[in-house]
Amino acid sequence: AQSVTQPDIHITVSEGASLELRCNYSYGATPYLFWYVQSPGQGLQLLLKYFSGDTLVQGIKGFEAEFKRSQSSFNLRKPSVHWSDAAEYFCAVALPRGDMRFGAGTRLTVKP
Amino acid sequence: GAVVSQHPSRVICKSGTSVKIECRSLDFQATTMFWYRQFPKQSLMLMATSNEGSKATYEQGVEKDKFLINHASLTLSTLTVTSAHPEDSSFYICSARSGAGNYGYTFGSGTRLTVV
Repeated sequence: AQSVTQPDIHITVSEGASLELRCNYSYGATPYLFWYVQSPGQGLQLLLKYFSGDTLVQGIKGFEAEFKRSQSSFNLRKPSVHWSDAAEYFCAVALPRGDMRFGAGTRLTVKP
Repeated sequence: GAVVSQHPSRVICKSGTSVKIECRSLDFQATTMFWYRQFPKQSLMLMATSNEGSKATYEQGVEKDKFLINHASLTLSTLTVTSAHPEDSSFYICSARSGAGNYGYTFGSGTRLTVV
């Protein structure tokens, strides 16, 4: 069955430090992969997506993600975290009919 | 770009009453829309798939008689929470696929339902 795993429930980083959020997926075909960010009480904001092509994807707010088929991973990175990046981050895979499977989410805390 | 409008953004209702949530695709036609539910501090879980002109498909464990879905047109899907109870309090969010292939997967802004 298709699934998305985010191994880290909660990550704390210092402002200005680099960030990597992990995502692993289980899916038979070439997946459509997404990263979303959600602030408390808010909806989802798309950070970036991967459909095909270049495996390094650039997104908004300085985020990037790398698709590694051999590792079934789609990790999200940012070289320098800002306090405003504190939020919940969800990795998701789109299924053929259009719905999505979401990971459990990773809560990011940014220390000053 | 494709926009999905969801209303209301917040609603408080009394236990036992019904609440309707609307999801509209503003600039594209959506033959299929999806309804998700997110409990506090949890991930989004697919509740049902809404198909224009036909019955919705519900995920296992979701009560179809409690969560009524209507997709009467290519741009509107509604979710009605009937006889709401406090345990139905959650964040409900819809999405639609705005085209075939690798076109966008667009989410509404969500509805925060609180049942008191």
